[in-house]
Amino acid sequence: SQQGEEDPQALSIQEGENATMNCSYKTSINNLQWYRQNSGRGLVHLILIRSNEREKHSGRLRVTLDTSKKSSSLLITASRAADTASYFCATDAARPNRLAFGKGNQVVVIP
Amino acid sequence: DAGVIQSPRHEVTEMGQEVTLRCKPISGHDYLFWYRQTMMRGLELLIYFNNNVPIDDSGMPEDRFSAKMPNASFSTLKIQPSEPRDSAVYFCASSSNPGWGDMYEQFFGPGTRLTVL
Repeated sequence: SQQGEEDPQALSIQEGENATMNCSYKTSINNLQWYRQNSGRGLVHLILIRSNEREKHSGRLRVTLDTSKKSSSLLITASRAADTASYFCATDAARPNRLAFGKGNQVVVIP
Repeated sequence: DAGVIQSPRHEVTEMGQEVTLRCKPISGHDYLFWYRQTMMRGLELLIYFNNNVPIDDSGMPEDRFSAKMPNASFSTLKIQPSEPRDSAVYFCASSSNPGWGDMYEQFFGPGTRLTVL
């Protein structure tokens, strides 16, 4: 079963706006990762946040982690058309040395 | 590095035929994962290897699926016989273990889109 569950499932925004998506999980984790998948491509790792971290930045990406609520959020600032993709969260809690992916969150950035 | 390489990129076959998907992981990575992605079920882990040894194959749907990793640079996923419900995109991913017990980032191949008629 999938560990992460993203919310909202689909998001459509104008270029330049910020996009925020959330992910919830059920059990304790060591780390949580976010991946992007462009149409017809494989997943690409974006950012990893460890359980003892609360916030992390990478370029226009900002990830937060609230272990008490078992949730994470991904913020993409100043979105671009090229950010149009599906975004997945993944946690390592399901079993050792494997990731459990959520069902993904489709983001469409309108130029 | 060329990244994770998968072949073929597209495969169309008829029900009952044998299908073999191939993967070359990133050199130096000691973990290899096979995933299946469908609209209905999302991304599912089928099996993963560590140092060429299968560690967890609990995601393999049934005996028609088998996977091998004869060496550190090559793995196959075989479906025999194939069925229409096997139609999906199959991804191979690899990673290296950072050594402190948790899972490091995975690098995905471009996937093989399988259509079983």
